[in-house]
Amino acid sequence: GDSVTQMEGPVTLSEEAFLTINCTYTATGYPSLFWYVQYPGEGLQLLLKATKADDKGSNKGFEATYRKETTSFHLEKGSVQVSDSAVYFCARGGGFKTIFGAGTRLFVKA
Amino acid sequence: DVKVTQSSRYLVKRTGEKVFLECVQDMDHENMFWYRQDPGLGLRLIYFSYDVKMKEKGDIPEGYSVSREKKERFSLILESASTNQTSMYLCASSLSQGDSGNTIYFGEGSWLTVV
Repeated sequence: GDSVTQMEGPVTLSEEAFLTINCTYTATGYPSLFWYVQYPGEGLQLLLKATKADDKGSNKGFEATYRKETTSFHLEKGSVQVSDSAVYFCARGGGFKTIFGAGTRLFVKA
Repeated sequence: DVKVTQSSRYLVKRTGEKVFLECVQDMDHENMFWYRQDPGLGLRLIYFSYDVKMKEKGDIPEGYSVSREKKERFSLILESASTNQTSMYLCASSLSQGDSGNTIYFGEGSWLTVV
């Protein structure tokens, strides 16, 4: 069946380091792709999304590009901050049933 | 902004009790969802609803039921709570079916401990 695979965590970085969290998906067709973020003690919230191939989603310094050739949607940020410490979920849209990856926990040290 | 409100943030219940988790959304969304989140397992869909009184099983419906009597409200029911249902429960909502680009909006979660 369709699935989303993202890199296992935790990922630990120092402040101002470059961040990449890998995400690949399998799907029939070309679903919308999402990154959600979950800060400690909270629910998930949308970070960014892309609805078609080659689209780039961006928000709060984070970016991800929809790559249909490699079925990937990797999350990047040029300079992370302590406040970016959270769990990041990659997801693909599918009507009623969005499929989430397992989540990647990010720790950023001052 | 869309707001999804879960009535209880933290609950402690005894084994065998009937448990109700309530959720209300304020943006007239057709779809509502209940997920369970456990360490190492990510999010797992329990049930979803695409209209009033309509429900569909998700990936792990066993031991749970749901109720949607009004569009804005979606309740999760544990008929007889067990310790393996100790978890974080997330309610969510989204606009209608048919558009896979719809963002899902989540509540803050309900931490349930069954003792």
